[in-house]
Amino acid sequence: SQTIHQWPATLVQPVGSPLSLECTVEGTSNPNLYWYRQAAGRGLQLLFYSVGIGQISSEVPQNLSASRPQDRQFILSSKKLLLSDSGFYLCAWSVLSENQPQHFGDGTRLSIL
Amino acid sequence: AQKVTQAQTEISVVEKEDVTLDCVYETRDTTYYLFWYKQPPSGELVFLIRRNSFDEQNEISGRYSWNFQKSTSSFNFTITASQVVDSAVYFCALSAPSGTYKYIFGTGTRLKVLA
Repeated sequence: SQTIHQWPATLVQPVGSPLSLECTVEGTSNPNLYWYRQAAGRGLQLLFYSVGIGQISSEVPQNLSASRPQDRQFILSSKKLLLSDSGFYLCAWSVLSENQPQHFGDGTRLSIL
Repeated sequence: AQKVTQAQTEISVVEKEDVTLDCVYETRDTTYYLFWYKQPPSGELVFLIRRNSFDEQNEISGRYSWNFQKSTSSFNFTITASQVVDSAVYFCALSAPSGTYKYIFGTGTRLKVLA
């Protein structure tokens, strides 16, 4: 069966520090991969998605970036975090066919001090 | 433009009451898919159901049921005999235009079931 792992679960970082969140999927090949951010008490904002290795689509211009170095690995990064980057970050995957459900990881709670 | 509206920001019910969560969508596509997700306090989103635009049959799964009506562009979710464990944020989502592989999520409805 397919599983998705996301880490760390919680992260506290100072303003201006770098960020690296990692997401890996097991049990499937060539998945679509997604990064979402959820501000406290708010809905989901799609940040990036990828349909293949090295293929990244950005939805919202900001100081975050994403990379997909391997088929089932998706990394969210920042060189310098801002206070506004605080939130709950969720990684998700779906099979390559369209209109299939997305399956989410457990999320990372990021607090910027 | 595509849009999903969940007008109910927060609903509180007493245990064993029935509750319906509303979802209204807008799309120009003739083929599309609708989804419901549950986000418990722990944070992860749990997939509940997918419905395609050609299947207007209502679906029931235990205490959960879904009413899809194309005429009113709605895909409502009813929980019968609610339980405290149903307390969560529920999201409705719509598949975006073909080729984009994205969903349009509603803003979510927070359901509180009181003992």
